Amino acid sequence: AQSVTQPDIHITVSEGASLELRCNYSYGATPYLFWYVQSPGQGLQLLLKYFSGDTLVQGIKGFEAEFKRSQSSFNLRKPSVHWSDAAEYFCAVEGSSASKIIFGSGTRLSIRP
Amino acid sequence: EPEVTQTPSHQVTQMGQEVILRCVPISNHLYFYWYRQILGQKVEFLVSFYNNEISEKSEIFDDQFSVERPDGSNFTLKIRSTKLEDSAMYFCASFRGQGIANEQFFGPGTRLTVL
Repeated sequence: AQSVTQPDIHITVSEGASLELRCNYSYGATPYLFWYVQSPGQGLQLLLKYFSGDTLVQGIKGFEAEFKRSQSSFNLRKPSVHWSDAAEYFCAVEGSSASKIIFGSGTRLSIRP
Repeated sequence: EPEVTQTPSHQVTQMGQEVILRCVPISNHLYFYWYRQILGQKVEFLVSFYNNEISEKSEIFDDQFSVERPDGSNFTLKIRSTKLEDSAMYFCASFRGQGIANEQFFGPGTRLTVL
């Protein structure tokens, strides 16, 4: 069965520091991969997505993610975080076109001034 | 830019009451979905809908739940007799169904509170 693991429940980084949020997935083939961000009480905003091709994907707000097939990982990175990046981040997979999206349990990001 | 809309943004109901959550998907999209997120937890898939029928549903989507596309624009989720544990944020999503770039577009959500 498909699954997504986000091993870090809560991460705190200083403003201006770099960030990496981890995501591992379990699926027989290469799924479609996504990162979403959710501010408290708000909806889901798509940061970036990977379908095929270049394994380094650029997204909005200066985020990027790298797909590593050998590690079944899709880690999210940002070189310098801003206080406004404090939110919950969800990694997600979709096994095939039009199928359900499976979300990880999320990583809450706090920013230290 | 077209977007998925949901109404109401917040619904409060008494346990045992029926609720209908409404969604207007993007107009040329063919696939429709409901997800829910219990407070502090991850987003969970409930049901997908295509060609006027359910294409997949999760274990959560029991007989108390139903979906309908009553006209050409709305997509609804009905909970027949709400329970306390149905309190959650409910997200609607739609997908065009064509092209290789697959992306489900999510609505802003309806927060359901069951008292």
